[in-house]
Amino acid sequence: DAKTTQPPSMDCAEGRAANLPCNHSTISGNEYVYWYRQIHSQGPQYIIHGLKNNETNEMASLIITEDRKSSTLILPHATLRDTAVYYCIVRVATGANNLFFGTGTRLTVIP
Amino acid sequence: GAVVSQHPSRVICKSGTSVKIECRSLDFQATTMFWYRQFPKQSLMLMATSNEGSKATYEQGVEKDKFLINHASLTLSTLTVTSAHPEDSSFYICSARDSGTDTQYFGPGTRLTVL
Repeated sequence: DAKTTQPPSMDCAEGRAANLPCNHSTISGNEYVYWYRQIHSQGPQYIIHGLKNNETNEMASLIITEDRKSSTLILPHATLRDTAVYYCIVRVATGANNLFFGTGTRLTVIP
Repeated sequence: GAVVSQHPSRVICKSGTSVKIECRSLDFQATTMFWYRQFPKQSLMLMATSNEGSKATYEQGVEKDKFLINHASLTLSTLTVTSAHPEDSSFYICSARDSGTDTQYFGPGTRLTVL
């Protein structure tokens, strides 16, 4: 699985959009970009994933650059409950291979 | 999203005893489940991959005789920590792969404290 690089921490004002970047310059053509988050003392929560097109769901939007070497997770209106560690992971979607977690980005939403 | 449950959520045991943790996929079938361990202020580390009806695959450095995994049905995997010691105290998290969507969903975790 390709490696990802994320900033260790970010702050965001409550109600504003939180934009979390991720670099994955060695991503392969068949690898998807997955985002999970982990709120303190809980299991990781699936947020969104994509291959090359931008994706949006009820939680967030995922913007993947055309060369697929980086992506941005956007939480459109951050709330205090969005404070968590956010993990960007790339993996091949097919097959039973697992997710390798890096250190992620600790997002703190400030009132 | 799909729901994965774990039981118990928290357990305290004496050194030398065994502890069983259950992981269930509630609204989907999972031929593959994964067990992770997370120490304070660290990221999740994969311990083993559990396939329904077959033996688990353990990551390097994880003792298979100490961490017994059983995946007897498409919705249940169990992790038994045998002869637990204080250094086994950790946050154990399971995940289940929804084969229909190819997405992994995680349980809420089990905090094990060995005295």
